[in-house]
Amino acid sequence: DAKTTQPPSMDCAEGRAANLPCNHSTISGNEYVYWYRQIHSQGPQYIIHGLKNNETNEMASLIITEDRKSSTLILPHATLRDTAVYYCIVRAFSGAGSYQLTFGKGTKLSVIP
Amino acid sequence: SQTIHQWPATLVQPVGSPLSLECTVEGTSNPNLYWYRQAAGRGLQLLFYSVGIGQISSEVPQNLSASRPQDRQFILSSKKLLLSDSGFYLCAWTGTLFNYGYTFGSGTRLTVV
Repeated sequence: DAKTTQPPSMDCAEGRAANLPCNHSTISGNEYVYWYRQIHSQGPQYIIHGLKNNETNEMASLIITEDRKSSTLILPHATLRDTAVYYCIVRAFSGAGSYQLTFGKGTKLSVIP
Repeated sequence: SQTIHQWPATLVQPVGSPLSLECTVEGTSNPNLYWYRQAAGRGLQLLFYSVGIGQISSEVPQNLSASRPQDRQFILSSKKLLLSDSGFYLCAWTGTLFNYGYTFGSGTRLTVV
């Protein structure tokens, strides 16, 4: 599985865009990049995923570099409720048909009023 | 729509006592099911996954076991709890296409005393 590297923590002012980077230099051509977040004492929540094109949904945008070695999750207007640990994950495929996700330590985003 | 239920939300158990945590999924069939554990201040660790009834794969040798007696039911058990079994236990499911990643339950916070 491709490993990911994220900064351990980041701060963002409320109302500003939060840009969370992730390096995945060993990613394979058929591996997707997934982003989840975990608010304290809750289960992780799916945010967005992509293969090589930029993606946008109601929660965030995902920008993947052309060489796919890094990506950035963008929360366009951060609110206090976006304070959470954000995980960047590259999907691992198991031959048994299950799809295991390996969670790293993620980035703790603190949105500051 | 699909929903995942996990209970209980919190549990305090003495060392040496048995454990049974249950997870059920509604609104889908033949899901892939997963048990994760998160120790205090640590990342998410995959414990077990299942691609079908009676099919269990273990990721980490430990004091725990898992069973899948029905298609949408996943149970985590222990015969004798250890202090090190304390943590936040999360159940998750994916569809066979995995297009949208995992959906996690709300978790069970287990404290072994």
